[in-house]
Amino acid sequence: SQQGEEDPQALSIQEGENATMNCSYKTSINNLQWYRQNSGRGLVHLILIRSNEREKHSGRLRVTLDTSKKSSSLLITASRAADTASYFCATAGGANSKLTFGKGITLSVRP
Amino acid sequence: DTEVTQTPKHLVMGMTNKKSLKCEQHMGHRAMYWYKQKAKKPPELMFVYSYEKLSINESVPSRFSPECPNSSLLNLHLHALQPEDSALYLCASSQGVAYNEQFFGPGTRLTVL
Repeated sequence: SQQGEEDPQALSIQEGENATMNCSYKTSINNLQWYRQNSGRGLVHLILIRSNEREKHSGRLRVTLDTSKKSSSLLITASRAADTASYFCATAGGANSKLTFGKGITLSVRP
Repeated sequence: DTEVTQTPKHLVMGMTNKKSLKCEQHMGHRAMYWYKQKAKKPPELMFVYSYEKLSINESVPSRFSPECPNSSLLNLHLHALQPEDSALYLCASSQGVAYNEQFFGPGTRLTVL
């Protein structure tokens, strides 16, 4: 069953703008991860934030985690056309430690 | 080498065929995964291998048969598939199964006629 729910489901922005994507989940987690998928290709791991962390940065990416609200956000600053992709949040936790993916967000960055 | 490779990239098969998908990683990872992904949907976990032993089978039909010959290789044997099994099949690996980030291969696009 899916745990993460991303919001919005689709986002279209101009190159150079910032893109913010949100993810909500339902149960307790060990960590939350964000992945990117270019059309028809494999997923690429972007960033992992642990349940005891509140914010993490990696290059143009900033991830926040609010465990009290069971939500996370992914901010991509100064977006580029190459950022056009689907983005998935995935939660890790529970007895079997498998990843549970959200439905995904489609980001389109217009040149 | 930080790459997961998958062969073939594309596969078309009839419902009576037997075929295999292959996955390889040389990162020393001890956990390997098969996922199925339909268009515009998230990946769905099928199988997890940990230290070459099957640890999770997500109630996958027996027409899909996984095999882990060694710590670097993962196969998915296909037999008597249905058209609804057409999808992108993704392999992934991680250092262990304990909440780690996963490294994905490019996938095999499977079409069942």
